[in-house]
Amino acid sequence: DAGITQSPRHKVTETGTPVTLRCHQTENHRYMYWYRQDPGHGLRLIHYSYGVKDTDKGEVSDGYSVSRSKTEDFLLTLESATSSQTSVYFCAISGGEGDYGYTFGSGTRLTVV
Amino acid sequence: ELKVEQNPLFLSMQEGKNYTIYCNYSTTSDRLYWYRQDPGKSLESLFVLLSNGAVKQEGRLMASLDTKARLSTLHITAAVHDLSATYFCAVDDNFGNEKLTFGTGTRLTIIP
Repeated sequence: DAGITQSPRHKVTETGTPVTLRCHQTENHRYMYWYRQDPGHGLRLIHYSYGVKDTDKGEVSDGYSVSRSKTEDFLLTLESATSSQTSVYFCAISGGEGDYGYTFGSGTRLTVV
Repeated sequence: ELKVEQNPLFLSMQEGKNYTIYCNYSTTSDRLYWYRQDPGKSLESLFVLLSNGAVKQEGRLMASLDTKARLSTLHITAAVHDLSATYFCAVDDNFGNEKLTFGTGTRLTIIP
């Protein structure tokens, strides 16, 4: 039983269109994160949330927005997709105790053409 | 700003050999994590290191943390093909909110 799921798993979209990725958790964890993974860069933090309606920017937040209206869902929106946003996006959750680190979702492979 | 550097970035080694992956970080932290990623897959947690001198072992992998040197190592003993993967270290920035900064990863290939 996966405690965290991402949707969609794959998406191809056109430049200039808005795109929303969804992260859903069943662990009731306080913290949720969106990272992007690109070759040579490891994982870079886009946005994170520390509670319902509480979000903050990460190191690569330009062109992205997030929302968290309930504990279990964290949405990432690309307001107007660009080719530089082609990437693999991972959602992660943390219970906040530091003892276990993150649990990651399966990832979303997004291609902007 | 916290910087995390891993080396080497690529490592090709023969089965049965030993090797070490290094993770250096730039600011004070006492929480460091190691993850494994198989091609096309997500990241899975390997080790959680929460204090200076912490050492964790699982099978042929052993991780250690030296917070004074801002260094963690992941040691591979008698490598086997199944250990081929990309390994990431990640460091908590200690500013709260459990934010982790990741290294760029080490792609490990074990050659029979």
